[in-house]
Amino acid sequence: EIVLTQSPGTLSLSPGERATLSCRASQSVSTSYLAWYHQKPGQAPRLLIFSTVHRAIGIPDRFSGSGSGTDFTLTISRLEPEDFAVYYCHQYGTSPPFTFGPGTKLNMK
Amino acid sequence: EMQLVQSGAEVKKPGESLKISCTGSGYTFSNYWLGWVRQMPGKALEWMGTIHPGDSDKRNNPSFQGQVIMSVDKSISTAYLQWSSLKASDTAMYYCARAGGNSGGHDAFDIWGQGTMVIVSS
Repeated sequence: EIVLTQSPGTLSLSPGERATLSCRASQSVSTSYLAWYHQKPGQAPRLLIFSTVHRAIGIPDRFSGSGSGTDFTLTISRLEPEDFAVYYCHQYGTSPPFTFGPGTKLNMK
Repeated sequence: EMQLVQSGAEVKKPGESLKISCTGSGYTFSNYWLGWVRQMPGKALEWMGTIHPGDSDKRNNPSFQGQVIMSVDKSISTAYLQWSSLKASDTAMYYCARAGGNSGGHDAFDIWGQGTMVIVSS
């Protein structure tokens, strides 16, 4: 089973700032099979990025993904108030189980 | 509009059985793998498994095998998650989600249901 580790656990930033979230895998993950979601309180998760770099439908271009091998990054270039949420990475490439990371909570400072 | 609509919240006692549902609309339900994700209170997402509505092929998480069963009725575009004997530790929100590509189930979850809260308490 591939274990995903996310850092930091909590990130406190202000609107307009840049956010950089990290996801590290215990084994190499194909770039085709790494996604990011965010989840706001009381809501279902929403897909942001799939296949490491591709934005899902309706996701603004301030969200970008990068990485390869075991290290992946989600960057939010200029935080908007609606971006404060919990962010999860997800690998879906190897034999099951397809795992999620523990999440990064992005708080408004 | 493509959507997944899940059945309502459930409150059950330990040892009882339960079947929750997830109905798809706005897309060809049989063509996409459908996954289940558990979220215990205040905790992270956990991938439980996926099922293909077309042929009921499954990919299971060993951590959940033997505890819960996935099934599907493609004639009514509905997937199910069922327990034969609930435990207090099954208390959680359960989401269904569509694996949105055509990579044989190796796809991100692009459409999510609203979640079904299951509470197991004596």
